[in-house]
Amino acid sequence: EIVLTQSPATLSLSPGERATLSCRASQSVSSHLAWYQQKPGQAPRLFIYGASNRATGIPARFSGSGSGTDFTLTISSLEPEDFAVYYCHQRSSWPLTFGGGTKVEIK
Amino acid sequence: EVQLVESGGGLVQPGGSLRLSCEGSGFTISNYWMGWVRQAPGKGLEWVADIKQDGSEKQYVDSVKGRSTISRDNAKNSLYLQMNSLRDEDTAVYYCARDGSSLRAFDIWGQGTMVTVSS
Repeated sequence: EIVLTQSPATLSLSPGERATLSCRASQSVSSHLAWYQQKPGQAPRLFIYGASNRATGIPARFSGSGSGTDFTLTISSLEPEDFAVYYCHQRSSWPLTFGGGTKVEIK
Repeated sequence: EVQLVESGGGLVQPGGSLRLSCEGSGFTISNYWMGWVRQAPGKGLEWVADIKQDGSEKQYVDSVKGRSTISRDNAKNSLYLQMNSLRDEDTAVYYCARDGSSLRAFDIWGQGTMVTVSS
């Protein structure tokens, strides 16, 4: 099983600041990594697929990078609606797995 | 509008069974792998099961293998999860989700249905 480790668990930042979220895989997932945003009481929403491709309707301030075992989700300048939990997810091999999540909270 | 709507959740005693349903609209599920993902209260996401377009391949997380069965009825544009021998740790919101083909990611999610296992 591929374990995804996200860091930090919580990121406390102010609007306008840059957010950098990390996801590390226990073995290579190539570029088969996705990022989801989840707000309280809502279903997750796909933000990034294929490590670096923005999903439909996702603003350009969100970018994904990495391949193999190390991945990053960057939010260039936080907007109020960006404060949420972000999960990484690998679809390289079964069983599919998710990271534990990073909560981006308002400082 | 492309959407997924789950139903079938509820309160069930340990050892009991439940069948979750998920109906798609605005698209044809027969073109996609489909899956179930769950989230225990206050916890993260956990993938549960996936099924190929024609139902010929099914994959499960170890914790539900032998107790749960994923199935689909493409004619009804619907996905199902039959869960047996339910345990306390199966308590969660269960989401159905569409695997966006070449995206290799869940691109459409339902709103979720709550399953509570308790005596």
